[in-house]
Amino acid sequence: AQRVTQPEKLLSVFKGAPVELKCNYSYSGSPELFWYVQYSRQRLQLLLRHISRESIKGFTADLNKGETSFHLKKPFAQEEDSAMYYCALSPGTSYDKVIFGPGTSLSVIP
Amino acid sequence: NAGVTQTPKFQVLKTGQSMTLQCAQDMNHNSMYWYRQDPGMGLRLIYYSASEGTTDKGEVPNGYNVSRLNKREFSLRLESAAPSQTSVYFCAALRRGIEGYTFGSGTRLTVV
Repeated sequence: AQRVTQPEKLLSVFKGAPVELKCNYSYSGSPELFWYVQYSRQRLQLLLRHISRESIKGFTADLNKGETSFHLKKPFAQEEDSAMYYCALSPGTSYDKVIFGPGTSLSVIP
Repeated sequence: NAGVTQTPKFQVLKTGQSMTLQCAQDMNHNSMYWYRQDPGMGLRLIYYSASEGTTDKGEVPNGYNVSRLNKREFSLRLESAAPSQTSVYFCAALRRGIEGYTFGSGTRLTVV
């Protein structure tokens, strides 16, 4: 079955420390992986996609097919990174089965 | 360019009341979606519409109905609200799977 797991509900780091939000998935094909972010009182927005291999706001994520992981990383956390982060999986070209993980709430301590 | 607009932003209903959540997008995307967001459960798909005139059930469709009125609008209806439907509801639109969703700002619904 298709599934996305984020083992940490809450993650607290100090400002300037590295941060890693974990995401694992189960899917038999070649999925598209995403990270979405929701800042306080704002709408969900796309942070980055694995297919574009981009770095957004200093965040990067590498797809590891062997470990079926798509962890989100940033070398130096900033206070404005405090938010809810969701990992999501889309099964390739199919548009109807995007699956979200339960989310990780990141708190950056000044 | 508003993207995806949802109304209302907040609503309190009594058990058994009905209401319709409205969603409109100005991006000319074909696909639209309704999700509910609950603590510890992420976002769960209620219904989606791949194109104008089509709708399909998602993971948690019970207690809801949808209408894809035209390409722009996709509404979600609760015929007889229950406390279990207390949640935050998000509408989203999609052009292509690899591009990711554009979300609305959400509707916080409380059923008492």
